[in-house]
This record gives sequence, structure tokens and C-alpha cells, in this order.
Amino acid sequence: DVKVTQSSRYLVKRTGEKVFLECVQDMDHENMFWYRQDPGLGLRLIYFSYDVKMKEKGDIPEGYSVSREKKERFSLILESASTNQTSMYLCASSFQGAVTPLHFGNGTRLTVT
Amino acid sequence: AQSVTQLDSQVPVFEEAPVELRCNYSSSVSVYLFWYVQYPNQGLQLLLKYLSGSTLVKGINGFEAEFNKSQTSFHLRKPSVHISDTAEYFCAGSTSGTYKYIFGTGTRLKVLA
Repeated sequence: DVKVTQSSRYLVKRTGEKVFLECVQDMDHENMFWYRQDPGLGLRLIYFSYDVKMKEKGDIPEGYSVSREKKERFSLILESASTNQTSMYLCASSFQGAVTPLHFGNGTRLTVT
Repeated sequence: AQSVTQLDSQVPVFEEAPVELRCNYSSSVSVYLFWYVQYPNQGLQLLLKYLSGSTLVKGINGFEAEFNKSQTSFHLRKPSVHISDTAEYFCAGSTSGTYKYIFGTGTRLKVLA
């Protein structure tokens, strides 16, 4: 089974802090994604990476950056956390191609106070 | 532009009754469609997918969905639900040549005893 592991289930951070969310997958997937999940809004794509050191902005990249130094690891960075970034963050991975389904981690619930 | 619409935000149903969760998509090109389930405090799991071929797709846990091109729909059905089916269900679509998966806003299925 594909395993996508997010390092933290719950995080509480203060406004202005730099926050790192880590994600690791064990199936040699080329693609990795960061989504944000909010009630009534579904999943919104923050960033996408299709290869090491390659990244593309999703629908809501403002206030976020990402890093992919190794194929199995994809990090989401909040440079200066704000309260409107309180949310559930989901990491996913897949093989290349639109026909391949996404495999998700269990999510990180981030609260910024 | 592609979009995925789930009209029902919540669906209550009694145990052992049938259920249908509705999903409509819009796309000018070939589309691939997926249903995911999210149990409380977990990530999303793939229920089933439509890529091509037979329009009736069977998935895990007794769920099935029918691709209807003329109505641009991909409704999810189960003939008899269990308490354990209580979860949030997401419809998603992707198109050939892109990396983007477009998610609906989700439908909360609540199975009542």
C-alpha cells in the first residue's frame, strides 16, 4: 500500500511564526501536492511538484512556499503564519498522468493564534 | 474551464436505505472522474474511478457510480448503507494533459440508526 505520511496531525502556532509542514511518500511517485481543506470550500490546491526541485503554483499560493529537495519529500512553508491560514492541510502524491488517482496523507490541522 | 459540482452539502439517510450522492462536471475535453471518501480525522481514500469504457463503475465498500455524458453527471450510489458509511464524500475530475484535479465541495453522508 502507498503510504503518505504527514509529520504532524495537529499544530498550534502563533501569528508571524515560520511554519514547516512535512510530507513523505514511499511509492516513488513523481507528483506531490499540497491542498488546503476548509468547510464548504472543498480542497483547494496550494502548490504542486512534478519532479525534484520543480514546483508550480496552484489556485491559492499566496502566503505559502514549498520545497522538494528529494523525490519522496515535499514541504509546505508558511513564511509568516496568519490567522486566516488556520485550516486542515492535506498532502497527496501520484504517478504522472491525469488518469492516476491521488494518495493522501491523514492531514495536519493547523491553528494559528 | 473544468468544474465539479456537488449540490448536496449534507445527506441524511437511515441505515439499510439506498443513497445517491450527486456530482456534475463541466468540461470541454475528455475527463477522468473520481470519488473519494474521508472518514473523521483522516485523509481521503479512493472509492472508485472512471477513466473510459463501461459507464458503470464499481468501487470499494459496495459503492458504484455511473458516468452519464449527456447529463455530465457521475452520481455515486449504494443500495444499502451502514452506519460505518458516515463520512464526507468528494467528487473530483481531471483532464488529459494537465496535473490539476478539481474537487467538489463535498457531501456529508450521515447514516441514522
